[in-house]
Amino acid sequence: GAGVSQSPRYKVAKRGQDVALRCDPISGHVSLFWYQQALGQGPEFLTYFQNEAQLDKSGLPSDRFFAERPEGSVSTLKIQRTQQEDSAVYLCASSLVGQGNEETQYFGPGTRLLVL
Amino acid sequence: QKEVEQDPGPLSVPEGAIVSLNCTYSNSAFQYFMWYRQYSRKGPELLMYTYSSGNKEDGRFTAQVDKSSKYISLFIRDSQPSDSATYLCAMRWGYQKVTFGTGTKLQVIP
Repeated sequence: GAGVSQSPRYKVAKRGQDVALRCDPISGHVSLFWYQQALGQGPEFLTYFQNEAQLDKSGLPSDRFFAERPEGSVSTLKIQRTQQEDSAVYLCASSLVGQGNEETQYFGPGTRLLVL
Repeated sequence: QKEVEQDPGPLSVPEGAIVSLNCTYSNSAFQYFMWYRQYSRKGPELLMYTYSSGNKEDGRFTAQVDKSSKYISLFIRDSQPSDSATYLCAMRWGYQKVTFGTGTKLQVIP
């Protein structure tokens, strides 16, 4: 079946512009995660959904970042008034169930955001 | 100090060599330990998953966890050019929030 898909794959934004990044998780996956990966760094956790409930948003760097998953499937990460330091790859991952020990997170290819 | 420390490399080895990749961590609450492989411009893919201390082998890959030393390793035997990628160690406790290392860039030279 299809894996996690993300769109757009690349986004160039002018500083101050709002952007919206989309994630389509694997069908039936309950958990969905967003990570930010700066150049040469490992991914850093942003936020976590279980179905439509956002259970952890402790990694969101500022109130300019907002994520939603209204129907428990597709998720959107929105960044308002983008800044140059927001330039990074934004990764989405999904896993099958909400709670578990050996839970594999499947990652999408990421959206590469460049803020000029 | 970061919770997870990983040498970023790059690490360059000849084809057929044994590769050793390592991470240290500071949070003793971590229970689940993972290694991901990430090719350029791709998302990470899970290679190995271990719980608590011990060894786990899967084909050419062996993962080791030493919780007493807060040290994890990934060994790749008979390395191939297709193994050239960035290897990320990762760990978690509780539900599923994962903390990643910086990643080590590996190049296997034919």
